[in-house]
Amino acid sequence: QKEVEQNSGPLSVPEGAIASLNCTYSDRGSQSFFWYRQYSGKSPELIMSIYSNGDKEDGRFTAQLNKASQYVSLLIRDSQPSDSATYLCAAFNYQLIWGAGTKLIIKP
Amino acid sequence: DAGVTQSPTHLIKTRGQHVTLRCSPISGHKSVSWYQQVLGQGPQFIFQYYEKEERGRGNFPDRFSARQFPNYSSELNVNALLLGDSALYLCASSTLVTGGITEAFFGQGTRLTVV
Repeated sequence: QKEVEQNSGPLSVPEGAIASLNCTYSDRGSQSFFWYRQYSGKSPELIMSIYSNGDKEDGRFTAQLNKASQYVSLLIRDSQPSDSATYLCAAFNYQLIWGAGTKLIIKP
Repeated sequence: DAGVTQSPTHLIKTRGQHVTLRCSPISGHKSVSWYQQVLGQGPQFIFQYYEKEERGRGNFPDRFSARQFPNYSSELNVNALLLGDSALYLCASSTLVTGGITEAFFGQGTRLTVV
């Protein structure tokens, strides 16, 4: 059974701090990894994709991948209240396998 | 440049009825996937179509079926609706490349309520 696991949260972070979201996956054949943000009642919105070990930065967001540990993370710097949402991690190996999401709350 | 469009956005059906959901992918994208998202859970994979052929099927009963048309748009059909089919149904559009996929982009979803 291919799985992607995330802590459901909620994760509460003060405004301006760094939010750290984590994800583990079970399928070693997974090749691509994605972070999506989902606001309540809305569809998921792609934030970051990462394919290679290491870090990938895009603005305030940094995705980190460690294939040996089967671990993916997303760092959000200078957290804003508008970052409050559920963050979904997905791993791809012929199909996307999703985690259940981590609810992030940014406190002003 | 139009994104993924889904219709309808909201739908209320009674148990036992059938429903058809529609999706138009991003121009140039040949792959469409369908997901069911129940409140509080991550999306669950239902189907993937590429070039009008089914490329993957999730663990859903035969009441669920789908197809992809020559213009790459897609329909998801659900027969004999149950209360448990109430969910957000998401369509994702992507371009399939060797060794992986490009990012999947979602439509706004169809909120199905079965009463």
